[in-house]
Amino acid sequence: EAGVAQSPRYKIIEKRQSVAFWCNPISGHATLYWYQQILGQGPKLLIQFQNNGVVDDSQLPKDRFSAERLKGVDSTLKIQPAKLEDSAVYLCASSLGGIYTDTQYFGPGTRLTVL
Amino acid sequence: RKEVEQDPGPFNVPEGATVAFNCTYSNSASQSFFWYRQDCRKEPKLLMSVYSSGNEDGRFTAQLNRASQYISLLIRDSKLSDSATYLCVVSGSGAGSYQLTFGKGTKLSVIP
Repeated sequence: EAGVAQSPRYKIIEKRQSVAFWCNPISGHATLYWYQQILGQGPKLLIQFQNNGVVDDSQLPKDRFSAERLKGVDSTLKIQPAKLEDSAVYLCASSLGGIYTDTQYFGPGTRLTVL
Repeated sequence: RKEVEQDPGPFNVPEGATVAFNCTYSNSASQSFFWYRQDCRKEPKLLMSVYSSGNEDGRFTAQLNRASQYISLLIRDSKLSDSATYLCVVSGSGAGSYQLTFGKGTKLSVIP
């Protein structure tokens, strides 16, 4: 079974530029998550989708971050404009149904460096 | 108080040693508890779920104390391949959101 796919794997941009990340979850997984992991920290949830609807985006910095999952399958996360403090690994995860005990499967992540 | 707190380590132990990690969480309404493992520059992967009755998977034993809001992970007979960061995770603390809240992780290095 194919895992969660993410691209690109690495991205280097200058501050104030824009960047977009893509995620394709495991087939059949209704719930998709985007996390930000800063070096030395645990992953922090940015946004959670259930099919194509947003369940929780309370920790998404909406002035610069946006995400969509239009057809309820793959998803994009955008940062516009980027700041130095956005340098982190952006992890996408998916799960079957989003219940408390659902296992989340993570993709390899996109490592973003903002100069 | 942080939502999920762990000792960041690093824990440097010799092969064959027994090592224990502890974790505390702040939200008494949390429903589910997990240990994830993250290798260097890799994604987190589920190691095991944690239940009040305690659970064991080979050399790994996890315990949950809801009254003290405390979670533990015990690794017996450490192997070199156990070297990784171990993330304590709780979920179910937000109504209907099922989100995972991660600790910062505890780094383990098993030394030959």
